[in-house]
Parts: sequence; structure tokens; C-alpha cells
Amino acid sequence: QLQLQESGPGLVKPSETLSLTCTVSGGSISSGDYYWGWIRQPPGKGLEWIGSIYYSGSTYYNPSLKSRVTISVDTSKNHFSLRLTSRTAADTAVYYCARFHVARGFDYWGQGTLVTVSS
Amino acid sequence: DIVMTQSPDSLAVSLGERATINCKSSRSVLNSSNNKNYLAWYQQKPGQPPKLLINWASTRESGVPDRFSASGSGADFALTISSLQAEDVAVYYCQQYYTTLQTFGQGTKVEVK
Repeated sequence: QLQLQESGPGLVKPSETLSLTCTVSGGSISSGDYYWGWIRQPPGKGLEWIGSIYYSGSTYYNPSLKSRVTISVDTSKNHFSLRLTSRTAADTAVYYCARFHVARGFDYWGQGTLVTVSS
Repeated sequence: DIVMTQSPDSLAVSLGERATINCKSSRSVLNSSNNKNYLAWYQQKPGQPPKLLINWASTRESGVPDRFSASGSGADFALTISSLQAEDVAVYYCQQYYTTLQTFGQGTKVEVK
């Protein structure tokens, strides 16, 4: 059974870079059928796609966040990562990692991790 | 960007009754080359990640009860719960994956009346 697990600090200061890692188990991140994505959800609000990456390293970002976001993949560790710079309180959210299939949508999700941006 | 608009924002239905959620996209998400609508529906219960229910606008994922059905094409879609069960209380989201910039609807909260 495929599992995804987010990890990273739960509290970041506006001056710090938000860094999260999603570790994939029960399957290979190098499977050519899937992309790997980050989605966030501010408390009490809806879902926002941040970006996705293919195992080859090709990335796709939400234009509204593109200048601040970097997604990378490490196939040797079977994980992918998110970096978000220039954080504000508006970046406070539950951050999810998920697997995306072009024919199905996001079919496997991590449990999510709450990141609070506060000084 | 393709904007996804759901209606209503919330819905209260008696147990055993039908619940219908609508989703409208700002432009068509139908790929004419394969006649597929790139539209998914998700269910999110409190404290949990979203769960994929429907893909290709009307195809149920494995294990999803058949009381969940979905329909529509182009820019107008609907998700129907034919007989609401207590465990169906959740927020439901539609999502288009027609464009690289995937977008979600704002969500519809389904409660028991």
C-alpha cells in the first residue's frame, strides 16, 4: 500500500525558508505514470495546488506562487521536497503531498502537516 | 486560470435523502481528442486529507460506494449522493486537471439535517 508522509518544522518565522519533505513508501517515486505534488489548505479554507514534479525533475508550479516555490526530487531517497521563501502569515496552512495521475487526479495523499508562519 | 465554482456552499440533507452538488468551470475541461472530461471529485472529512472519489467526471474510484455518482461534460458537472449516510458528512471538492495549473472548487459542506 502506497504511503506518503510529510515532514518538516511546524513553526517557521517569516524570515526563514519553509522546507518540507514528502517520503514515499510502498512504491517507487520513479514510476513513470505519476507526478508528485504539493497542495495546501489554510485553516478552514479550501485547497490550493502549489506545484508538481516528475521523477525526471520536470516541475510545474502555480503561477501565483512560482517566484517563491522550489520543488525537488531525490529518487535515491524516494522523496520529494518543497521550499517556500518570503513567507507571510498567509502561508499558514496544512501542507499535503500527494501522487497525481494524469488520468485520475490525486489518488494518494499524505496526512498533511500544519505549518504556522509567525514571528 | 480555469476557475471552478461549486454550488451550494453548504447543504443539509436528511439521512437517506439525495444530495446534489454542482460544479461549473470557467471554460470547458473536455478534451476533444479523447472525449474525456478532466474533472475529479474529492471528499474531505474533518482532520483528514481529501479522498479521490471520482475521476474522468463520472468514473468511481475502486471502493467508492455506488450511492456516489457523478455526471456532466464540458463546463457543468454534478456529484450526487443518492441516499445520504452519516459517514458521508464531509466537504466535497471538484478539481479540474485539464490544464497544468490544476484548480479546485471552493468546496461544498454536506451535513445531516
